Amino acid sequence: DTGVSQNPRHKITKRGQNVTFRCDPISEHNRLYWYRQTLGQGPEFLTYFQNEAQLEKSRLLSDRFSAERPKGSFSTLEIQRTEQGDSAMYLCASGGQGKVQETQYFGPGTRLLVL
Amino acid sequence: DQQVKQNSPSLSVQEGRISILNCDYTNSMFDYFLWYKKYPAEGPTFLISISSIKDKNEDGRFTVFLNKSAKHLSLHIVPSQPGDSAVYFCAAGTRGSARQLTFGSGTQLTVLP
Repeated sequence: DTGVSQNPRHKITKRGQNVTFRCDPISEHNRLYWYRQTLGQGPEFLTYFQNEAQLEKSRLLSDRFSAERPKGSFSTLEIQRTEQGDSAMYLCASGGQGKVQETQYFGPGTRLLVL
Repeated sequence: DQQVKQNSPSLSVQEGRISILNCDYTNSMFDYFLWYKKYPAEGPTFLISISSIKDKNEDGRFTVFLNKSAKHLSLHIVPSQPGDSAVYFCAAGTRGSARQLTFGSGTQLTVLP
């Protein structure tokens, strides 16, 4: 399967703990996006990488959130000192170049529950 | 401020009939629009897209219509099948930057056998 993969698929943590999620994009894609989705809402943009450069960050991305894409391949999203309001589905998407460069392809998501 | 709105949270359609899902947007800078389908516990799956230079794009049973003057787009599914039952999101972006997409809140489509 050459789609976007995310790990773990589920994470339960206690408030105040740190969590880290991983995303492996489609191999030839140079763009990588993180979104967050809460119940009854559409995905909300968090941050965007082109290769290893983080080019955009949403104001939703508080200073407790950090994302990296060190070699322009996989990416990690870390949340420090988790809060109950961080409970959500965290989605990763990737996009490439060419005719359909605007299209973003999503992974299955990581569902986070903060107790 | 919701820049992309899907005003119908749910829609039920009989199998074999047409499903029409609607989406409105307010940001005139959007020039690229997409529809995604989402099953529970899965990520959104890309369905079809349209550029603002077109008013219609068709792919099999799926057709997207864009009315720029009304800032409105719709997704038609003909004929509807039970496997189409899912949440459908419309999304909008700006070409060239290929950056963030702005999503609507989704419409739950149920196709009844």
